[in-house]
Amino acid sequence: KAGVTQTPRYLIKTRGQQVTLSCSPISGHRSVSWYQQTPGQGLQFLFEYFSETQRNKGNFPGRFSGRQFSNSRSEMNVSTLELGDSALYLCASSLAGTGSSYNSPLHFGNGTRLTVT
Amino acid sequence: ILNVEQSPQSLHVQEGDSTNFTCSFPSSNFYALHWYRWETAKSPEALFVMTLNGDEKKKGRISATLNTKEGYSYLYIKGSQPEDSATYLCAFGGSNYKLTFGKGTLLTVNP
Repeated sequence: KAGVTQTPRYLIKTRGQQVTLSCSPISGHRSVSWYQQTPGQGLQFLFEYFSETQRNKGNFPGRFSGRQFSNSRSEMNVSTLELGDSALYLCASSLAGTGSSYNSPLHFGNGTRLTVT
Repeated sequence: ILNVEQSPQSLHVQEGDSTNFTCSFPSSNFYALHWYRWETAKSPEALFVMTLNGDEKKKGRISATLNTKEGYSYLYIKGSQPEDSATYLCAFGGSNYKLTFGKGTLLTVNP
């Protein structure tokens, strides 16, 4: 069974540009979450999608947005990039259903390393 | 703002030592507590998902316990091996469809 696939693996952008990251979950997983990891901050929750609906959003500015398609693939977009957006962005999928989303473990992709110059 | 605290931040042990780390989390609105292992250059890998007070889980030499009333979980590694070197993350599942991660404990096992 293929794992969670994130593309691209690496990105270099300049301030003010926008970027779109992609995540393909494990087949059959309908929940997709996004996390940002920066040194010293740990994994910070961005948002979670289930069946094309955003169920929760973390404390990030509106420049960070996402969506999920009918095949459960998800994209994350960051507009007007800032230097502080440089980070590893991780996507995770799970078997979580319409009830509690916590009984199923997260399966992470390898991440996209974004560098903003 | 939810606080999930992990201690210690880092730990160096010798091969063969047993060790343990702590994860502290809110004792209200508890749904689940997850543990992940994150090795360098890899993605985080799930170790355990615990949902009931008093839960104990075991996977090989690694085990975990859960106390939801007082808001803590322990992760134990028996007879540490160099391949156990990784960052160990815990994550708290509350009432809002997200997992809140701690900053992790970086374990280094010296041969």
